[in-house]
Amino acid sequence: GAVVSQHPSRVICKSGTSVKIECRSLDFQATTMFWYRQFPKQSLMLMATSNEGSKATYEQGVEKDKFLINHASLTLSTLTVTSAHPEDSSFYICSARDQGQQMNTEAFFGQGTRLTVV
Amino acid sequence: AQSVTQLGSHVSVSEGALVLLRCNYSSSVPPYLFWYVQYPNQGLQLLLKYTTGATLVKGINGFEAEFKKSETSFHLTKPSAHMSDAAEYFCAVSIGPSSASKIIFGSGTRLSIRP
Repeated sequence: GAVVSQHPSRVICKSGTSVKIECRSLDFQATTMFWYRQFPKQSLMLMATSNEGSKATYEQGVEKDKFLINHASLTLSTLTVTSAHPEDSSFYICSARDQGQQMNTEAFFGQGTRLTVV
Repeated sequence: AQSVTQLGSHVSVSEGALVLLRCNYSSSVPPYLFWYVQYPNQGLQLLLKYTTGATLVKGINGFEAEFKKSETSFHLTKPSAHMSDAAEYFCAVSIGPSSASKIIFGSGTRLSIRP
């Protein structure tokens, strides 16, 4: 199946700094990518939909100035957590669908990024 | 709006026993349904999906699920549990007909396997 690569897998940063997480589709193109946040022992919460060449669409309650999303190419979306605080510590996961396939194929997921803000 | 409800946050079965993980959905349009598995500190792997056609869907690792429109259910089963099946399982529904459609997840069910 298609591969989505997410980097880094684990990051520790100081409070007040910014952290960038990359999500790449390795063998397919994705005009749309999705960013999720997962708290321990909880489900995935959709944060935003990343759209290639245009602004991301954020879910209700997600601060767009806090979580900056850039989707500059058909294979790369980035999520930047700005001025990170301990409450931003979480597991962040990206996903993408192969736009070359028929509608509504499954989404492929990155391996996730464990962010710890100290 | 579409939503997914997973009954039971934790299911424990003996090795070799039947696995049944429950999922009910709510959708105003024909749903596209998925089951994903997540191992600790990893991303999600697709087990199986239902889009159209046959309502009994077979997936990887011996799992299968049946789409029952009358019951708005998409329960996941496996005849004989294996220790390696211990993981978190998520039922999900896709909103909309395109590759840009959001996927909304249920709350998850943690499956434990007793020796």
